[in-house]
Amino acid sequence: GNSVTQMEGPVTLSEEAFLTINCTYTATGYPSLFWYVQYPGEGLQLLLKATKADDKGSNKGFEATYRKETTSFHLEKGSVQVSDSAVYFCALYRRNNNDMRFGAGTRLTVKP
Amino acid sequence: DVKVTQSSRYLVKRTGEKVFLECVQDMDHENMFWYRQDPGLGLRLIYFSYDVKMKEKGDIPEGYSVSREKKERFSLILESASTNQTSMYLCASSFGGTGNTIYFGEGSWLTVV
Repeated sequence: GNSVTQMEGPVTLSEEAFLTINCTYTATGYPSLFWYVQYPGEGLQLLLKATKADDKGSNKGFEATYRKETTSFHLEKGSVQVSDSAVYFCALYRRNNNDMRFGAGTRLTVKP
Repeated sequence: DVKVTQSSRYLVKRTGEKVFLECVQDMDHENMFWYRQDPGLGLRLIYFSYDVKMKEKGDIPEGYSVSREKKERFSLILESASTNQTSMYLCASSFGGTGNTIYFGEGSWLTVV
């Protein structure tokens, strides 16, 4: 079945450091891929998405590229801020069976 | 802006009680979802609904039921709450069809004592 695997946390970085959170998926066909972010005490918010191979999603300085050859959708940011501290979830969606799958989440803490 | 509203942010219930978690969305979305979020397990789908009065089991439906009598409202019911149902519950909604960005509510923290 469809599944998402993302790197375990927690991840702790200093402000202005480079961030990578790895995400790989297992799915047949061409799922849509998402990154969601959950700030403390809040629900999940869509951060970015990509709907086909080689698409790059970007938002708030974060980027992720849909790589079908490696079945990956790694999240990157060149310079993190304290306000980026949150839990990040990778997810995939397959329309034909209306199946949405989330990874376990990666907690990021950015220290000043 | 899309708004998904969950009726209660924090609840404390006793073992064996019947619990209702309510969710309302204001974007005329066809799909609505209930997830459970636990540390280290991420989000697990309990039930989803793709239309009024329609429902499908997710990965962990045991001990839960749902009701969707109106398009904008999707209720999660714990028939007899147990301590292992202590968790954060997230409601979400999306359009049917392509794209399918899912919009989440703020979550309901349920503690069963």
